[in-house]
Amino acid sequence: SQKIEQNSEALNIQEGKTATLTCNYTNYSPAYLQWYRQDPGRGPVFLLLIRENEKEKRKERLKVTFDTTLKQSLFHITASQPADSATYLCALGDDKIIFGKGTRLHILP
Amino acid sequence: SQTIHQWPATLVQPVGSPLSLECTVEGTSNPNLYWYRQAAGRGLQLLFYSVGIGQISSEVPQNLSASRPQDRQFILSSKKLLLSDSGFYLCALEGTGRREQYFGPGTRLTVT
Repeated sequence: SQKIEQNSEALNIQEGKTATLTCNYTNYSPAYLQWYRQDPGRGPVFLLLIRENEKEKRKERLKVTFDTTLKQSLFHITASQPADSATYLCALGDDKIIFGKGTRLHILP
Repeated sequence: SQTIHQWPATLVQPVGSPLSLECTVEGTSNPNLYWYRQAAGRGLQLLFYSVGIGQISSEVPQNLSASRPQDRQFILSSKKLLLSDSGFYLCALEGTGRREQYFGPGTRLTVT
């Protein structure tokens, strides 16, 4: 069955450093991959979409890579700030979309 | 711009009681709408999606049902709640073209 894996452990990063989150998947060939941010008690917020024929996408301090051979996406936040602390969800889509469980990120001041 | 409303924000219901959660959207017409559940320690689980009035697709067979009586209204229901129905229920609409999901504020349901 289709499976998405994100770091189950929380990630602690010092302010100003680059945070890198990983999303691995199996038994799936998605047409696109998305990243969302979710704050406690709130609904997820869409951040970025990258298609299967794209290697990299950037938006301000965010960068996403998509390696369909490794079946992996990396999500980078450069110059991280305490306000970036949240849970980040990876989602894969084709005709349907499936979400990973998310990784909690803590940016330490 | 698109806005999604959900109510109630929180709900505590006893096992065996009925449920009705409502989602309404503004700023768009004929949206694809979704109901998700997020249980503690688990990912977002797609429950239902709808591409139009009266058109419902179920992803997970269980004691929940959904209806779409109007273009911008999506309702999640249950006749008898189970303890396992506890969770954070999110309504979402699909963005045009890019397949991104826009989520509402959610309803926190606790079944006791």
